[in-house]
Amino acid sequence: EVQLVESGGGLVQPGGSLRLSCAASGFTFSRHWMHWVRQVPGKGLEWVSRIKSDGTRTHYADSVKGRFIISRDNAKNTLYLQMSSLTDEDTALYYCVRDFPEGPTRLDYWGQGTLVAVSS
Amino acid sequence: DIQMTQSPSSLSASVGDKVTITCRASQTIDIYLSWFQQKPGRAPKLLIYTTSNLHSGVPSRFSGSGSGADFTLTISSLQPEDFATYYCQQSYSTPYTFGQGTKLEIK
Repeated sequence: EVQLVESGGGLVQPGGSLRLSCAASGFTFSRHWMHWVRQVPGKGLEWVSRIKSDGTRTHYADSVKGRFIISRDNAKNTLYLQMSSLTDEDTALYYCVRDFPEGPTRLDYWGQGTLVAVSS
Repeated sequence: DIQMTQSPSSLSASVGDKVTITCRASQTIDIYLSWFQQKPGRAPKLLIYTTSNLHSGVPSRFSGSGSGADFTLTISSLQPEDFATYYCQQSYSTPYTFGQGTKLEIK
């Protein structure tokens, strides 16, 4: 069974940093592109970032570019999101999402999310 | 960035109704369009990918169509478990973008 379990969320002050993790199991993690998607509670979905299966390519939303870094450790089956210079606009539930291993992007499995709250 | 616009933003319907939700991209996205369903307090679930392909386990009452910049999600006969919020998402180019969502409510 595919499982994606996010952790690392919490309350952080504006300007602060936080690192999210996503532990993957039930599939061959190293074959899949992985994504982060966020959602302000009660609002819509916002794609944040993605990383290639081997970690050599990354892409970011304009809203986080230069502040967030996506990375992965395929030996540990873990995806990361290092977030810095946080503002209240980064307050959201952050989902770890798997992409189908072949063909066009297909966000086929989602974790349950970890909540990040940026507030003084 | 490619903007995705869904309509309507909300919709009231009854069990058994046929429902259509539309999604328009600000430029052509070929067929790179997915649909997701989200229920309150739950993570989104993939319904349809590349415009018209049904994800594993999704009931056949869901279907998708379109190409270029205009797309539709159709539910042929609403079931009680279908009342949720639906999102479209383009994967033609990064940054990938979602529509603002369509909340489907019981009439």
